[in-house]
Amino acid sequence: NAGVTQTPKFRVLKTGQSMTLLCAQDMNHEYMYWYRQDPGMGLRLIHYSVGEGTTAKGEVPDGYNVSRLKKQNFLLGLESAAPSQTSVYFCASSYRGDYSNQPQHFGDGTRLSIL
Amino acid sequence: GDSVTQMEGPVTLSEEAFLTINCTYTATGYPSLFWYVQYPGEGLQLLLKATKADDKGSNKGFEATYRKETTSFHLEKGSVQVSDSAVYFCAPMTTDSWGKLQFGAGTQVVVTP
Repeated sequence: NAGVTQTPKFRVLKTGQSMTLLCAQDMNHEYMYWYRQDPGMGLRLIHYSVGEGTTAKGEVPDGYNVSRLKKQNFLLGLESAAPSQTSVYFCASSYRGDYSNQPQHFGDGTRLSIL
Repeated sequence: GDSVTQMEGPVTLSEEAFLTINCTYTATGYPSLFWYVQYPGEGLQLLLKATKADDKGSNKGFEATYRKETTSFHLEKGSVQVSDSAVYFCAPMTTDSWGKLQFGAGTQVVVTP
């Protein structure tokens, strides 16, 4: 089983460039999430989606946009990359069910450097 | 808002030593509690969970008990191995729904032979 797949795994951008990170899950999960991981700060939620066509802001949404046109895909966009967005980005998904106890499943991450 | 406090690392241990990583949290209500593990260069994997007071989650020799009175969820393992070297994250589920997690800063554990 593929689980949660993130594309690309690594990327280097110049300040001001744009790019899109793709997350795909094959578990038919309703909920999907984008996090960034920075040293000493754990994971911080950027945006999340509770179903196809819906998105919501997390803890650190500024500078990012997302879209969920298909249930299995969740895209994270950087319109104008800044050095402060250098980070490791993780996508996760979870089953709705009894949402109070369903674990999130994570991808392997995208390491993004902004020069 | 909800918050999580984990003991700082790195925690360096010898093989077969006892490991404990403290985790306390603040939350409205009684959230489900999770521990995730991140091995070098990988994503996070669920290690164990507990969904109500006094529940004990366990997996791969690790245990953690949901302590409502002290709002804590400390992770323990009786005898660590080199392969347990990783970063461990405590993550209560937020009580405002949608399955969101509030992550601690993570505790790096280094086990030496």
